Amino acid sequence: EAGVTQSPTHLIKTRGQQATLRCSPISGHTSVYWYQQALGLGLQFLLWYDEGEERNRGNFPPRFSGRQFPNYSSELNVNALELEDSALYLCASSLEGDYSNQPQHFGDGTRLSIL
Amino acid sequence: AQTVTQSQPEMSVQEAETVTLSCTYDTSENNYYLFWYKQPPSRQMILVIRQEAYKQQNATENRFSVNFQKAAKSFSLKISDSQLGDTAMYFCAFMKLNTGTASKLTFGTGTRLQVTL
Repeated sequence: EAGVTQSPTHLIKTRGQQATLRCSPISGHTSVYWYQQALGLGLQFLLWYDEGEERNRGNFPPRFSGRQFPNYSSELNVNALELEDSALYLCASSLEGDYSNQPQHFGDGTRLSIL
Repeated sequence: AQTVTQSQPEMSVQEAETVTLSCTYDTSENNYYLFWYKQPPSRQMILVIRQEAYKQQNATENRFSVNFQKAAKSFSLKISDSQLGDTAMYFCAFMKLNTGTASKLTFGTGTRLQVTL
């Protein structure tokens, strides 16, 4: 069974540009989560999508946005990039339902570097 | 490769009591971070506490403290004066320390904590 896949592996942008990160969940998983992991820090929750709808959003400005497609894959878009957006962006997926029995499975991440 | 093991799938504690969640890990690395995350029904992974492996002193954050035993590769979380809002899934996580880059977290399977009246 294929795990959560993210693309690209590494993305280099300059300030002010826009970045698009992609995530394909494990087959059968309907929930997708996005996290930002800055240098030396733990995860910061960005977004949670389920069945195509945004279910919850972390404390990030509106220039961080995303969507979930009918096949449950997801995109994270970051507009007007700033230097502090440089981080590892992790996507996770899970089955919907009683969360206590549905762990999140993480992808390997997209490393976004802002020059 | 790193592994993180949480051997308690579910635990229950009464309000105001103390509970300890267990976590063990396996790694050949010497420099790393350990984390405890809380995941309430909102699904947001909330960082509870972080421990740097090079620090001998156990980390504390208000009612939350850890017992870090590096030689035994053990990292338990103690919650004192438990509150109803502590009800959540708790994940132990490991992160290798890479100079200049952030690396992926390795999570345990979680412990579901229920705080009761």
